[in-house]
Amino acid sequence: NAGVTQTPKFQVLKTGQSMTLQCAQDMNHNSMYWYRQDPGMGLRLIYYSASEGTTDKGEVPNGYNVSRLNKREFSLRLESAAPSQTSVYFCASSERSNQPQHFGDGTRLSIL
Amino acid sequence: LAKTTQPISMDSYEGQEVNITCSHNNIATNDYITWYQQFPSQGPRFIIQGYKTKVTNEVASLFIPADRKSSTLSLPRVSLSDTAVYYCLVGDTDNQGGKLIFGQGTELSVKP
Repeated sequence: NAGVTQTPKFQVLKTGQSMTLQCAQDMNHNSMYWYRQDPGMGLRLIYYSASEGTTDKGEVPNGYNVSRLNKREFSLRLESAAPSQTSVYFCASSERSNQPQHFGDGTRLSIL
Repeated sequence: LAKTTQPISMDSYEGQEVNITCSHNNIATNDYITWYQQFPSQGPRFIIQGYKTKVTNEVASLFIPADRKSSTLSLPRVSLSDTAVYYCLVGDTDNQGGKLIFGQGTELSVKP
């Protein structure tokens, strides 16, 4: 029972490079989310998708784009990576947007 | 969106009951209260959710007073494995995208 799977688990980029973080869930959930977590901080919502075919900005969307490829998959893209985007990125899903969220184990991203 | 305030850290000993209180003075009528647990290098994990009075599951209890301006997560007889960060979140129950705000959380340290 995989739940929410994120790839890659670790990545190092140079400033200006682009990167797509992948997320897939096998729980047939409608809603999916991308968060970032900086050291010693709580999670901040980047983008979310309440249902297949819809996406919306969260608290910190600048510098990111998302694609809800289908019901299972929700990707996060950094078009031109900056050191300020060094963080741990978590993907989550929920049956509906007001239901408890299930999280993946995160992608640790370092931008030099 | 309702903001929450929790203690930054708490210490306890194995076998004790731990109560973590969260303040959410501007909670809205439709808001539910949800608690998550996060271990190092892992994504948050749902613990419990409630709207009013008391909710209990196999892991914890959630106490919510009549005015709903605060809530208390109660962990009975904690063990070393309960050492984690605990987040209190308040969010609406309408289908409005699941915009939840994670604060800094409460870092619980359980000692032998």
